[in-house]
Amino acid sequence: QVQLVESGGGEVQPGRSLRLSCVASGYTFNKYGMHWVRQPPGKGLEWVALIWFDGSSKYYADSVKGRFTISRDNSKNTVYLQMNSLRAEDTAVYYCARGGDYYDSSGSLDPWGQGTLVTVSS
Amino acid sequence: DIQMTQSPSSLSASVGDRVTITCRASQSVDRYLIWYQQKPGKVPKLLIYSASSLQSGVPLRFSGSGSGTDFTLTINSLQPEDFATYYCQQTYTTPYTFGQGTKLEIK
Repeated sequence: QVQLVESGGGEVQPGRSLRLSCVASGYTFNKYGMHWVRQPPGKGLEWVALIWFDGSSKYYADSVKGRFTISRDNSKNTVYLQMNSLRAEDTAVYYCARGGDYYDSSGSLDPWGQGTLVTVSS
Repeated sequence: DIQMTQSPSSLSASVGDRVTITCRASQSVDRYLIWYQQKPGKVPKLLIYSASSLQSGVPLRFSGSGSGTDFTLTINSLQPEDFATYYCQQTYTTPYTFGQGTKLEIK
């Protein structure tokens, strides 16, 4: 079955960096776009970033643009989120989710990984 | 950016009730509207895509409608397992914004 497993979360000081990983299995990874979505503790969902199936296009939320970078390694079935210049307001559970196939960038997000918690605190 | 506004933010209902949750977009998103369900401590689950298409495995008591800027999620004959938070999301244009969520509680 399709499975997404995130890792790389933890506690980090403001201004520092962290890289999240999401390993996919159970489907042809290089056919699908991938998203990152975050959820601050006790709050709602915020879409963070999207990368196309081949990595040729990337899109970001305004709140992370210029600080976060999404990338993927199709040979490793893995999508990454490099997070730089972290702020307290970046504290959240970060989920990866599969998107639409090929150029269907509007496809729904399904399934989702179990999430990894990032805490930005001094 | 397109703003997505859900109403109500919270809702109390009883088992067997019919409930409707509304999602309004600040500009047209055509039918690129998705509904998710999230239970406490759990991962969001896809319910409805393309405004009205039921995801495989989702019970038929869930339905979605709308296009353009106004959308609804309807749950017929509420079951105990339906008490959760529901989110809409537009995937018409990036950033793919979510509504703030509607928490459905047991009356």
